[in-house]
Amino acid sequence: QVQLQESGPGLVKPSETLSLDCLVSGGSIRSSYWSWLRQPPGKGLEWIGYVYYNGNSHYNPSLRSRVTMSVDTSKNVLSLKLRSLSAPDTAVYYCARSSFGGFLGSYLDYWGQGLLVTVSS
Amino acid sequence: ALQLTQSPSSLSASAGDRVTITCRANQGISTALAWYQQKPGNPPHLLIYDASTLQSGVPSRFSGSGSGTDFTLTINNLQPEDSATYYCQQFNNYPLTFGGGTKVEIK
Repeated sequence: QVQLQESGPGLVKPSETLSLDCLVSGGSIRSSYWSWLRQPPGKGLEWIGYVYYNGNSHYNPSLRSRVTMSVDTSKNVLSLKLRSLSAPDTAVYYCARSSFGGFLGSYLDYWGQGLLVTVSS
Repeated sequence: ALQLTQSPSSLSASAGDRVTITCRANQGISTALAWYQQKPGNPPHLLIYDASTLQSGVPSRFSGSGSGTDFTLTINNLQPEDSATYYCQQFNNYPLTFGGGTKVEIK
C-alpha cells in the first residue's frame, strides 16, 4: 500500500519561496509519476504538475514560471518549490501518485493527507 | 485549459435514494475522466477512472458512465457515509483539470 506524507512550513511570508517535501513509502518512487496539487480553503482542486524520478516533469502553465519539482530516490522523497508567493497561494498542498492508462494524462490513485500552507506576513 | 462543469453544485437526498451528478467537458475527452469523493479534512479519494471503471475497494453502489463531453456519477442506495463533495477530473489533456465539485448532503 503506497503511503504519502507531506511536510514543510505552515506559514510562509509573501514573496518568499515555499519548499515542501513528500515522503513516499510502501512502493518504489522510481515506478510511478508523482503529482502535486493544491486546494484553497473552501475551494476546488488545482493540479500543479507531475515529476518522474529521472527529472521528467510537466507543469501547469498557470504556475510553470514559479514551480520546480524534483525527486530524491535515495530518500524516497518528492520535493516542490513554489517561488514568489502571494496570498492566493494559500492552500492545502497535496502530493499524489499519477496513474496512466491509455491516455496522455493521469488520474490520482494515492494521496497524501495534505498540508495547509498560509501565505501571510 | 479544458473546462469541466459539474451540476448540481449541491444536493440533498435521503438515505436509500439514487443520486446522479453530471460533469460536462467543453471539448471531447473520450473516456479520460475520473471521479473523486472528498470528506472534510481529508484528501480526495478515487472512486472511478476511465469514466466507468470502479477503483478497487469502492462500493458497487457507485457507478460512472459517459464518453465524449457528458459524464455521470450515480450513487445507488445512498448511505449516510456518502455525505461528501464529489469532483470529476479529466486526464485527456494537460493541464489536468477538475470540475467545481458537487456537495452531497444526506437529509
